[in-house]
Amino acid sequence: AQSVTQPDIHITVSEGASLELRCNYSYGATPYLFWYVQSPGQGLQLLLKYFSGDTLVQGIKGFEAEFKRSQSSFNLRKPSVHWSDAAEYFCAVGILTGGGNKLTFGTGTQLKVEL
Amino acid sequence: NAGVTQTPKFQVLKTGQSMTLQCAQDMNHEYMSWYRQDPGMGLRLIHYSVGAGITDQGEVPNGYNVSRSTTEDFPLRLLSAAPSQTSVYFCASSPRQGIGEQYFGPGTRLTVT
Repeated sequence: AQSVTQPDIHITVSEGASLELRCNYSYGATPYLFWYVQSPGQGLQLLLKYFSGDTLVQGIKGFEAEFKRSQSSFNLRKPSVHWSDAAEYFCAVGILTGGGNKLTFGTGTQLKVEL
Repeated sequence: NAGVTQTPKFQVLKTGQSMTLQCAQDMNHEYMSWYRQDPGMGLRLIHYSVGAGITDQGEVPNGYNVSRSTTEDFPLRLLSAAPSQTSVYFCASSPRQGIGEQYFGPGTRLTVT
């Protein structure tokens, strides 16, 4: 069965600093990988996704992530964090099932941004 | 285009009561799913559906029932609520073709006392 590990429960960064959120996955086949963001009291919004091809993927809000098969990782990065980036971030792996897709989520990383 | 809508936003139940969480989408998506979110556990899949009349269990299906009579609606039923079902529930939908983005609703916060 697939699984996702986000080793950092909480991360605090200063506004303007760079950010890297870690994600490791376990899955026997080629993974479909996602990063979602959840602002307080809101649903989840897709930041970016990796299906195949270029291992560096660009997303919304200036985020990017790099797929490293050798390390089973899909870390999320942003060069300069804004106060509005404070939220909870979830990494997920998706598998195809009967024409749809099932997502397995990590436990999330809560990002705090200090002004 | 409202996307994925969920009602109610908040609900308090007593142990043993039943209720239905509503989910609707207007994007003509064939795939719909229900997740529950608990602190420190991320989101866990409860049930999902790949089209009208077809449902299947996810990771944590016990205590929940679903049905899918139309493409638009995917209600989640709690037949006899338990305190362990206190959680935030999210509905999501996606196009059926392959691995696509799942669109999430705003969630329902349920408390069972």
